[in-house]
Amino acid sequence: AQSVAQPEDQVNVAEGNPLTVKCTYSVSGNPYLFWYVQYPNRGLQFLLKYITGDNLVKGSYGFEAEFNKSQTSFHLKKPSALVSDSALYFCAVKREYGNKLVFGAGTILRVKS
Amino acid sequence: DAGVTQSPTHLIKTRGQHVTLRCSPISGHKSVSWYQQVLGQGPQFIFQYYEKEERGRGNFPDRFSARQFPNYSSELNVNALLLGDSALYLCASSGSGVAQPQHFGDGTRLSIL
Repeated sequence: AQSVAQPEDQVNVAEGNPLTVKCTYSVSGNPYLFWYVQYPNRGLQFLLKYITGDNLVKGSYGFEAEFNKSQTSFHLKKPSALVSDSALYFCAVKREYGNKLVFGAGTILRVKS
Repeated sequence: DAGVTQSPTHLIKTRGQHVTLRCSPISGHKSVSWYQQVLGQGPQFIFQYYEKEERGRGNFPDRFSARQFPNYSSELNVNALLLGDSALYLCASSGSGVAQPQHFGDGTRLSIL
């Protein structure tokens, strides 16, 4: 069975500082990993994915994520946070050739000016 | 290009009624998935359809059903509504290929009284 853990309900960071939102996963076989962001009263917006290849993947809006197979982690990062990055972030995993995404419970990111 | 569109945006029903939610995928996308997002939780997988065939089903009761039409749009039907069915229902579409990300609509907010 697949599962995702986002250990922090909320992350607070000052504008201009680097941010990290943590994610660990469990899946049999090769994982397909995704990060999404959700703004209030909106659907989920795709940020980036890891399928294979380089462990550091770059996505939209300056976000990047680092895949670590030994730690089964896929942490989301950004070098310099913006107030507009404040939102709810979800990590998700899918089995290779699988058909469903399994999401974590989400992490609220608050960026203060 | 238009993204995933869902209708209606909001819906209020009473217990025991049934509901039909609609989704139009991104043009060219043949795969549609449905998710239920209860407040404070990550989305939970309900169904996936590809080329009008069900390709996956989550752990939801038989009161939940769906179908996909020749134009790749989709409907989610829920019968005998319960208070616990109150949630945001999200539709996602994806292009061909198992590594393609799912793109989400803004959802239908269903409230059961």
